[in-house]
Amino acid sequence: DIQMTQSPSTLSASVGDRVTITCRASQSISSWLAWYQQKPGKAPKVLIQKASRLESGVPSRFSGSASGTEFTLTISSLQPDDSAIYYCQQYNSFPYTFGRGTKLEIK
Amino acid sequence: QLHLQESGPGLVKPSETLSLTCSVSGGSISSSSYYWGWIRQSPGKGLEWIGNIYYSGSTYYNPSLKSRVTISVDTSKNQFSLKLSSVTAADTAVYFCARLPSDDSFDYWGQGTLVTVSS
Repeated sequence: DIQMTQSPSTLSASVGDRVTITCRASQSISSWLAWYQQKPGKAPKVLIQKASRLESGVPSRFSGSASGTEFTLTISSLQPDDSAIYYCQQYNSFPYTFGRGTKLEIK
Repeated sequence: QLHLQESGPGLVKPSETLSLTCSVSGGSISSSSYYWGWIRQSPGKGLEWIGNIYYSGSTYYNPSLKSRVTISVDTSKNQFSLKLSSVTAADTAVYFCARLPSDDSFDYWGQGTLVTVSS
């Protein structure tokens, strides 16, 4: 199975900050990576597909990038509504696998 | 707007079979552009992909669950279903159904349903 290692596991930042979350795949997954945002009691919501394509309706402050097996989710200017847990997921090969999540808190 | 809704028992006894149905509205499950999947989430294991199905009935299962999982589709009812046999407490989780575009990952999710395995 492809392991997805996310860092950090928790992150505290202030409104307006630039925030970066990293996900590393244990082997090549090309660009077959998605980022999700999950709020308490809700289903995950897809933010980014194919490593860098912003899903329709997602604010432009979210962006994704890739370099080899390292993937990054960036929030350019943190907003109070961004408090959530963020997950990466590879869909290059079965079984699909998720990272363990990054809990983002607003100071 | 596409809507997915999970339904089924919230409590299952150990060694029995967990059965859930995902009802799809606002779109056809028979579209050739999509697969349909099940994912579960537990505090211990995080998010875990269970399997996918195409409207034709083709399935893909997580090898860690493959011996116990069956996913089926009923195009006449616009539903797909999950059966997980011989459950234990480790199968206690929130179960989500979701849509999977052909070249993308899960874009629409149900709200999730908590299934507890306990006697």
